[in-house]
Amino acid sequence: DAEITQSPRHKITETGRQVTLACHQTWNHNNMFWYRQDLGHGLRLIHYSYGVQDTNKGEVSDGYSVSRSNTEDLPLTLESAASSQTSVYFCASRSAMNTEAFFGQGTRLTVV
Amino acid sequence: TQLLEQSPQFLSIQEGENLTVYCNSSSVFSSLQWYRQEPGEGPVLLVTVVTGGEVKKLKRLTFQFGDARKDSSLHITAAQPGDTGLYLCAGVGNSGYALNFGKGTSLLVTP
Repeated sequence: DAEITQSPRHKITETGRQVTLACHQTWNHNNMFWYRQDLGHGLRLIHYSYGVQDTNKGEVSDGYSVSRSNTEDLPLTLESAASSQTSVYFCASRSAMNTEAFFGQGTRLTVV
Repeated sequence: TQLLEQSPQFLSIQEGENLTVYCNSSSVFSSLQWYRQEPGEGPVLLVTVVTGGEVKKLKRLTFQFGDARKDSSLHITAAQPGDTGLYLCAGVGNSGYALNFGKGTSLLVTP
């Protein structure tokens, strides 16, 4: 069965370190997204991609970057981790408008 | 960013009660989706509403899209403990396929 997986599920890192969160989907979807979820803020869009070599900034993109070298993967990089980036991160993909967005199980990131 | 306001933010009810969750915006959406999220998991799609005035039923859940396509509601009849979770509405914003989410309604149904 097709799926979307995130790794790691949990990570603790120190302030200032570079961190990369992995997202891999086997749906063959062109559209992939990264969200962060925080109490009181809901799910907020960080970056998104509509295909290979395409990346776009979302609502809360400062301090984050993504790259899309193939259809299956959209890694999210925190260039220099900050305590404000402690959050649960979700990756998602969908095929087209009005279709279901499939989410990974999330990565809980703690920056100390 | 097109904002989606959900209410109430929290809801605690007893098994068997009915409830309604609202999702409102000042913007028009081509469609709205409702997702349910359980602790430690990603959101899972419940329904997509596309046509203004549309009503969709999923067992004890009834979803409605406003005539002007600016709002939606989720009504649960005879809630059960298994309905406990975070309910999120989402719409496609100006960025194409990316979904904008409301902050969610956290529902707790006690036996």
